[in-house]
Amino acid sequence: GEDVEQSLFLSVREGDSSVINCTYTDSSSTYLYWYKQEPGAGLQLLTYIFSNMDMKQDQRLTVLLNKKDKHLSLRIADTQTGDSAIYFCAESFYNTDKLIFGTGTRLQVFP
Amino acid sequence: GAGVSQSPSNKVTEKGKDVELRCDPISGHTALYWYRQSLGQGLEFLIYFQGNSAPDKSGLPSDRFSAERTGGSVSTLTIQRTQQEDSAVYLCASSFGQGNEQYFGPGTRLTVT
Repeated sequence: GEDVEQSLFLSVREGDSSVINCTYTDSSSTYLYWYKQEPGAGLQLLTYIFSNMDMKQDQRLTVLLNKKDKHLSLRIADTQTGDSAIYFCAESFYNTDKLIFGTGTRLQVFP
Repeated sequence: GAGVSQSPSNKVTEKGKDVELRCDPISGHTALYWYRQSLGQGLEFLIYFQGNSAPDKSGLPSDRFSAERTGGSVSTLTIQRTQQEDSAVYLCASSFGQGNEQYFGPGTRLTVT
């Protein structure tokens, strides 16, 4: 079955790096995504990685995928207060277009 | 506006009443999705439309939930005989189809009293 887990909370100091982790159980996913949700706002796609890749970098964001361990991570370099939000990982599959979301990680950035 | 829009933004209803939630996808997007975000269950997939047909409605929690899409555009999610456990934020997303980015609307917050 599909099950995607994340730690609930992460607190970091402004300027430090943040690493948000995600584990999943279904290895047949085609794409894995990171979404950001700010208070009162909808979900915003940050970045995604194809399942046959192991790393993707996009400005301050680095996504690492370990397919063997079914582990996905998002690293945010030089974290800013504007990065405070809930971050969701999600996976999609070849035979359906639905997204299976993780439980979400609330990132708090303090000065 | 070029984004996905949803209405109403907030809806308070009494237990047992029916509600309709509306989603206007981005123009040209053929795929439309409904998700639900609640405290107890997180973000859950409800139903997916490709054009006007729904190839995957596996996430609808009960037969009180139904959805339709007309003209390959607007979609309505209907919840009959609402229950308190239906209280959640209902999110709509649209895309150009499988494998393409899903763009989310701001959601409808439903409160069942």
